This record gives sequence, C-alpha cells and structure tokens, in this order.
Amino acid sequence: DQQVKQNSPSLSVQEGRISILNCDYTNSMFDYFLWYKKYPAEGPTFLISISSIKDKNEDGRFTVFLNKSAKHLSLHIVPSQPGDSAVYFCAASYLLIRGSTLGRLYFGRGTQLTVWP
Amino acid sequence: DTEVTQTPKHLVMGMTNKKSLKCEQHMGHRAMYWYKQKAKKPPELMFVYSYEKLSINESVPSRFSPECPNSSLLNLHLHALQPEDSALYLCASSQHPFTATSGTEDTQYFGPGTRLTVL
Repeated sequence: DQQVKQNSPSLSVQEGRISILNCDYTNSMFDYFLWYKKYPAEGPTFLISISSIKDKNEDGRFTVFLNKSAKHLSLHIVPSQPGDSAVYFCAASYLLIRGSTLGRLYFGRGTQLTVWP
Repeated sequence: DTEVTQTPKHLVMGMTNKKSLKCEQHMGHRAMYWYKQKAKKPPELMFVYSYEKLSINESVPSRFSPECPNSSLLNLHLHALQPEDSALYLCASSQHPFTATSGTEDTQYFGPGTRLTVL
C-alpha cells in the first residue's frame, strides 16, 4: 500500500526554467515531509523538509509547498540547472516523540528530473 | 557536517560467503538505519537502532544480521545470501526524535551506499 505517491516518473525541463515535482500522500497523520535527491549508484542526499505547521519552506533555489487539506506537496526548483538532473524522492513521516514510529520514512517511487541546456 | 560513510563501496560475494558492511557517522546521531534499495525503487527500511539498541526489524531474513558496536558505528553482517539480495544497501543516521529540536523534525542523512552483488 503506497502511502506516498509520485505520479510522474519523469520530468524534463529546460535550463533556467522552473521544475515542479509533485507528491501526494494518503495518511493524514504524517507531520513531516522531506525531499531527497539521488544520483545513480549513490545514496539519497537530503534537500529540504517541511513540517505540517508550515505551508512553505525555502532554501536557495528550492522551495517546498505543503497543502495539508489536499494532502499534496510540491518541490519547486528555480532556476533549474543541468546539475539538478537526478531522481527526486518525496518522503513522509509521522515521527512522534516516542513510540514505534521511530525511523519510519515512507518514500514515493521517485521522479527522474532531466534538465537540458 | 552531515556525512555518513559506508564501506566497501562495492561488494561481490558468493552464496556461501560471510561478509560485513560498515557504516560510520560522527555527527553525534543516536538513531541509525539500514535500508535496501533495488533499481528504480525507493529505499526499503530494514533495521533501526536507537541508542545502540535494535528498535525496529522489518521482518528481515536472518541471513542479514545488524550490529551496533557503539554510537558511531553500524554493521550489517551477511551470510548465505541469495542472488535476489543483490541491491544497494544504504545506511542512514538521524539525531533522534527524543533529542531533535522540535521532537518531530528528525532528518535522516544517508551514506553513499554499498553496491552488493550476490553470485
């Protein structure tokens, strides 16, 4: 049962333009969301996160938006650069301060972003 | 510094071999994780250690045996693996929700992975 979904397996964007990667989730108890970037044969690199008390978080060229009512988040990359070409994973967590939910990150299947010159 | 290191980078082993994967972090994190990732799939959680104690085992076969000798090190001992166990094995660490600033924002940082091939 896929609780986090990335419905677009791939996205192609021209350099300098905006890349928008989307993610939907089904579990309303999730309260922390992360985006990871992954190059082939490497581990995922943490990009940016957002907690459920916010609807937007920015870090340089990366902005994550959270719409809790729609159970939807998106990652905006502006401007896109060829080095951004990678697989982007959305992940969600309902980490609580204590309990068996420790460590449970629920990943989407990823979106392959290609930025062309 | 958010570095998690893993050795070896690549490992080829036969089904009768015994080998170990190693993971190290020096960020003072108290939660450490093993994941398995197959091509074009998201990472799958295998084990979680919290304060050097195993807190989650996601029904992983006993041919995978984790060990956390101290707060900086995490090992994964491999024995009698099958070809279908070939994958990228990822280690991650996080501060720990009990010590994270807000209690919920506990970010996991991943190592580069070990590419395992079982012949």
